[in-house]
This record gives sequence, C-alpha cells and structure tokens, in this order.
Amino acid sequence: QKEVEQNSGPLSVPEGAIASLNCTYSDRGSQSFFWYRQYSGKSPELIMSIYSNGDKEDGRFTAQLNKASQYVSLLIRDSQPSDSATYLCAVIGGSNYKLTFGKGTLLTVNP
Amino acid sequence: DAGVIQSPRHEVTEMGQEVTLRCKPISGHDYLFWYRQTMMRGLELLIYFNNNVPIDDSGMPEDRFSAKMPNASFSTLKIQPSEPRDSAVYFCASSSGPFMSYGYTFGSGTRLTVV
Repeated sequence: QKEVEQNSGPLSVPEGAIASLNCTYSDRGSQSFFWYRQYSGKSPELIMSIYSNGDKEDGRFTAQLNKASQYVSLLIRDSQPSDSATYLCAVIGGSNYKLTFGKGTLLTVNP
Repeated sequence: DAGVIQSPRHEVTEMGQEVTLRCKPISGHDYLFWYRQTMMRGLELLIYFNNNVPIDDSGMPEDRFSAKMPNASFSTLKIQPSEPRDSAVYFCASSSGPFMSYGYTFGSGTRLTVV
C-alpha cells in the first residue's frame, strides 16, 4: 500500500466551479498534513496545512481532515484558470519527520 | 529572504561523469531535505539533515549517491558515476522544524539530464 495516494486525474472543471481534490494516507499516526501546488516546470509551493480533524479555510481554499478515515481533501471554490496546476498532498508520518508526497492530481480549470 | 537557492538550474552530463548539485537553505532553517522528482515515481525523499547532521538517508538509491552538509548554509548532492536513469529534477527544501505550520520551502530545482 502506498503511503500517500491521490487520484492522478486529470480533473477538469469549468471556471467558477468547485474543484475537489482527495488524498488518503496509510500511517494512522500521522500528525501533519499539507497541500502543495506545483505549476508545470516549477517547484512545489505550500498552500494549506491542517493538523486537526475538521475544516480549515483560507480564502478560496478549504482543507478537510478526517483522521479516522485517514482522508484529506482540498476544495477550491470559484476555480480560476490560474488554479490549473498539479496539487500534491503531503503527510508527515507519526514515526518519523519525513514529508511524504502523493504523486499529485492534475487540475485543469477551463475558461 | 532569498529563499532556498539551488545551482545549477540545468545540468546535462554524459553517463559515467560526476555530478554535483548545490543548495543553500533559508537562513535559520535547521532542517534540509533533498528530493528527486520523476514522472513515474513522483517526489521522493532522498536524505535529510538536522543541524548539518544526516538523519535519514534511507531514500538514497545506491552508493553512487552521496550528500554532505559541511555547514548550516550549504549542502551538496553528488552522483558518481551518473547514469541515464538518474535523469530527474532534484529539489532541495528547508524547514525550521518538522512540524512547522509553514511546511517546507523548496528551491527552484536542478533538472539533471544524463545522456
């Protein structure tokens, strides 16, 4: 079982719609969860972090965490063409300090 | 702050040659990470340092790979001898702690092509 799994996509949504990105992880002791955005040819940049069960909102972005289900999600409201990128879910395991990434979901927002 | 600085941005080398990638972390960050990204395997952690000391190198693919951090502001990742399958983008990242809310900051990466 892969440590962090994401649907590779591509996920295509129209401009203005809500984009929903999902991630599951295998280490039940994981404590910290992150979403990174990576534009083509660029480095990953942190957009959200979440540590407790529930929702965390930052502008158009909402991260959701359910530790019982080992599930993390990212919602992007009012999606814009500039949101088109690969979104990487990353988890710090409970037994080490290593940030493990999923392979990412490619999101395309169509004008 | 200038962020995490990596050099070179691009490297093309012939199989069998030695390759050295360089990284300057953000000042004050005492964790440094080397990642490799390929289409097939995604982002993989190779090795990380805490206060210049290697903590976990279990991701280093084989003995051809080595990494050093002689001081708090400089790290190198060396591949000797290089092989075509080493072609990838190598990222360096730094953090002031493993659980910090702002996560890790990545450098711009080095795109390595081994021909």
